Amino acid sequence: GAGVSQSPRYKVAKRGQDVALRCDPISGHVSLFWYQQALGQGPEFLTYFQNEAQLDKSGLPSDRFFAERPEGSVSTLKIQRTQQEDSAVYLCASSWSEQETQYFGPGTRLLVL
Amino acid sequence: DQQVKQNSPSLSVQEGRISILNCDYTNSMFDYFLWYKKYPAEGPTFLISISSIKDKNEDGRFTVFLNKSAKHLSLHIVPSQPGDSAVYFCAASALEYGNKLVFGAGTILRVKS
Repeated sequence: GAGVSQSPRYKVAKRGQDVALRCDPISGHVSLFWYQQALGQGPEFLTYFQNEAQLDKSGLPSDRFFAERPEGSVSTLKIQRTQQEDSAVYLCASSWSEQETQYFGPGTRLLVL
Repeated sequence: DQQVKQNSPSLSVQEGRISILNCDYTNSMFDYFLWYKKYPAEGPTFLISISSIKDKNEDGRFTVFLNKSAKHLSLHIVPSQPGDSAVYFCAASALEYGNKLVFGAGTILRVKS
């Protein structure tokens, strides 16, 4: 079956611009995670959904970051008033349940100029 | 505070030999450990995992060893193949924390033919 997909794959934004990153999880996966990966680092947790409920958003770096999953399937990560330090790869992962293996999408590479 | 550490940024191994990738952790609450492999411009791909109740898990050429007392795990690849060349990430999770993954910084493995 299809894996996790993310769009766009690449995004260049001017500083101060708002961006929206989309994640389509594997069909039927209840849990969805967002991670941020800076250059040369491992992914870092941003937020977690179980169905449409956002159960943990402790990793979101500021209130400019907002995530939603209104129907318990597709999720969108929105970054308002982007800053240069937001430049990173944003990874989405999904799993059957909270305790199952997470499967990652290809990521969205965001560059803020 | 880096809770998961991969102290070797890179490793070079001859084809056919064993590759050993190491990972250390500091948080004794972690109860599940995973290895992911990542090619450029792709998301991390799940390789193998181990629960804290085990000390070894094997899947084909890949074996993961866990030493809880030392808070250390390692991934063995035997025999190594050129297609194994990638970045390898160690990750840990805890049921207490909702199973969000905490990643190391990664080790670049290069298998020479």
